[in-house]
Amino acid sequence: EVQLVESGGGLVQPGRSMKLSCAASGFTFSNYGMAWVRQAPTKGLEWVATISYDGSSTYYRDSVKGRFTISRDNAKSTLYLQMNSLRSEDTATYYCTRGVYTTDYFDYWGQGVMVTVSS
Amino acid sequence: DIVLTQSPALAVSLGQRATISCRASQSVSISRYNLMHWYQQKPGQQPKLLIYRASNLASGIPARFSGSGSGTDFTLTINPVQADDIATYYCQQSRESPPWTFGGGTKLELK
Repeated sequence: EVQLVESGGGLVQPGRSMKLSCAASGFTFSNYGMAWVRQAPTKGLEWVATISYDGSSTYYRDSVKGRFTISRDNAKSTLYLQMNSLRSEDTATYYCTRGVYTTDYFDYWGQGVMVTVSS
Repeated sequence: DIVLTQSPALAVSLGQRATISCRASQSVSISRYNLMHWYQQKPGQQPKLLIYRASNLASGIPARFSGSGSGTDFTLTINPVQADDIATYYCQQSRESPPWTFGGGTKLELK
């Protein structure tokens, strides 16, 4: 059974940093691209970042470029999202997702982790 | 960026057909591939993949769900609607990425 379990969320002040993790199991992690998708309270889904199966390619939405870094450790089957210079508009539930062919659709989603940016 | 437009809400009676639409600002089809996908999200839960590439049922999804469309206009159909289908439905395109974009979501409500 495919499982994606996020951790690392919570309350953080504007301008500070936070790192999210996603532990994957039930599939060969190193064969799949992965992504983070977020959802602000009462809002829709918004893609944040994608990483290829081997980490050689990364993609970001414009609003997080230069502030967020997606990475992975295939030996640990873990995906990460390092978030720096956080803003109030980054407040959201962040979902870890598995990407099909890296650049197509998202077939499995974690339960999500809440990040609240507030003073 | 490709913008996906969905109606905010749709009211339907149990046992009836629900048709949820998604319109793209430009074509999301390449040759025979229609790169539009559908997700279901129930309150307090993560999204779940329903339909991929416009018309392919994801694993474990009941056959009352179906998808169709090409170019810029796509439809998710639920027939018949059951109480467990009350949720918000999102379309997503992968024709031009990044960014991967989602529609604003359609909340399916009971009439």
